[in-house]
Amino acid sequence: NAGVTQTPKFQVLKTGQSMTLQCAQDMNHNSMYWYRQDPGMGLRLIYYSASEGTTDKGEVPNGYNVSRLNKREFSLRLESAAPSQTSVYFCASSPRLGAETQYFGPGTRLLVL
Amino acid sequence: SQKIEQNSEALNIQEGKTATLTCNYTNYSPAYLQWYRQDPGRGPVFLLLIRENEKEKRKERLKVTFDTTLKQSLFHITASQPADSATYLCALEGNAGNMLTFGGGTRLMVKP
Repeated sequence: NAGVTQTPKFQVLKTGQSMTLQCAQDMNHNSMYWYRQDPGMGLRLIYYSASEGTTDKGEVPNGYNVSRLNKREFSLRLESAAPSQTSVYFCASSPRLGAETQYFGPGTRLLVL
Repeated sequence: SQKIEQNSEALNIQEGKTATLTCNYTNYSPAYLQWYRQDPGRGPVFLLLIRENEKEKRKERLKVTFDTTLKQSLFHITASQPADSATYLCALEGNAGNMLTFGGGTRLMVKP
């Protein structure tokens, strides 16, 4: 089992460009999450999906959109990247919402110039 | 306002000693608290969960305490090893919608 996988590992964008971060899990989990991690700020929740077909805003959703494509995949889209979105993005999954353990992917490092 | 505080300064200790990391929180009433380990360039990995009705939980060299009166959790690594060097994050169930909220993490450096 690969667990949670994310692509790409690293990306450089220019301000105003768009991109989609991909996430997939093979643990048959119902719930998936997108976080960003900035120095000294901890992990902050951007969006989450309680189950296939549902998505909800987290703490810092502005500038992002998500799609729960199926039970396995949850993508994060930046429509018009800004330098403030330079960060490391982590996808995570859990058996159900509020489940006690979350399983994280390896992260995507994004630099917006 | 809600806050989770972990010491942002790195903790440096000698191999073999016990490392103690602190997680303090305000304006939360979590049903449980978790600790994660994060190595550079990697995602967090779950270590331990402790529930509000548990005072202490152990797993091998790890021990976690949870004091809901003090609103504090302590994370101990006994007989520390250089391989324990990492950033340790505490996370607790937030007040809204069962979401986990993470502290900023404390970096532990174990020197041989």
